[in-house]
Amino acid sequence: NAGVMQNPRHLVRRRGQEARLRCSPMKGHSHVYWYRQLPEEGLKFMVYLQKENIIDESGMPKERFSAEFPKEGPSILRIQQVVRGDSAAYFCASSPLASLSYEQYFGPGTRLTVT
Amino acid sequence: QQQVKQSPQSLIVQKGGISIINCAYENTAFDYFPWYQQFPGKGPALLIAIRPDVSEKKEGRFTISFNKSAKQFSLHIMDSQPGDSATYFCAVQGAQKLVFGQGTRLTINP
Repeated sequence: NAGVMQNPRHLVRRRGQEARLRCSPMKGHSHVYWYRQLPEEGLKFMVYLQKENIIDESGMPKERFSAEFPKEGPSILRIQQVVRGDSAAYFCASSPLASLSYEQYFGPGTRLTVT
Repeated sequence: QQQVKQSPQSLIVQKGGISIINCAYENTAFDYFPWYQQFPGKGPALLIAIRPDVSEKKEGRFTISFNKSAKQFSLHIMDSQPGDSATYFCAVQGAQKLVFGQGTRLTINP
């Protein structure tokens, strides 16, 4: 049973470009979460999605950031017009459908560098 | 607003010793308290977790102690090994999202 998969693992973008980060949850998981980790800091919640629905986006910056989890395919975190401050590791986590199970399993992350 | 405070920031323990990391939280709305272990360049891995209806949970060398009235919980690693050297994050969970502590960098000296 494959774990949470993220790609690319490393992404370099120039200021002003767009970054697209992909996350495939574990098999059987329909809840996806995105977190951001700045160097030497803990992870900060960004957004929680279920298939075709954004449930909680309280941690998303108001501008330039968007997320989706379509009916088919991976979840996408999109950052438009990237700036140096967007450089960070972005982690995706997934959890099962069952509401009694709270465990979130993390992927290996995408390390975004903005030059 | 910092809802989870973790200490210490870094910790050095001799092989075979006990490593203790503490967390304090501010909100009583949380209902799940996990600890994650992260190695450099990797994603966090769920280590052990506890729910607020119990005061202690043990899995192998890892134990969580939970004090609901004090809003504190801690991770104890018994017989610490060099392979335990990593960054450890406590977290609290409510309404499906995790709020993480700042992390503790643990080094086990051989």
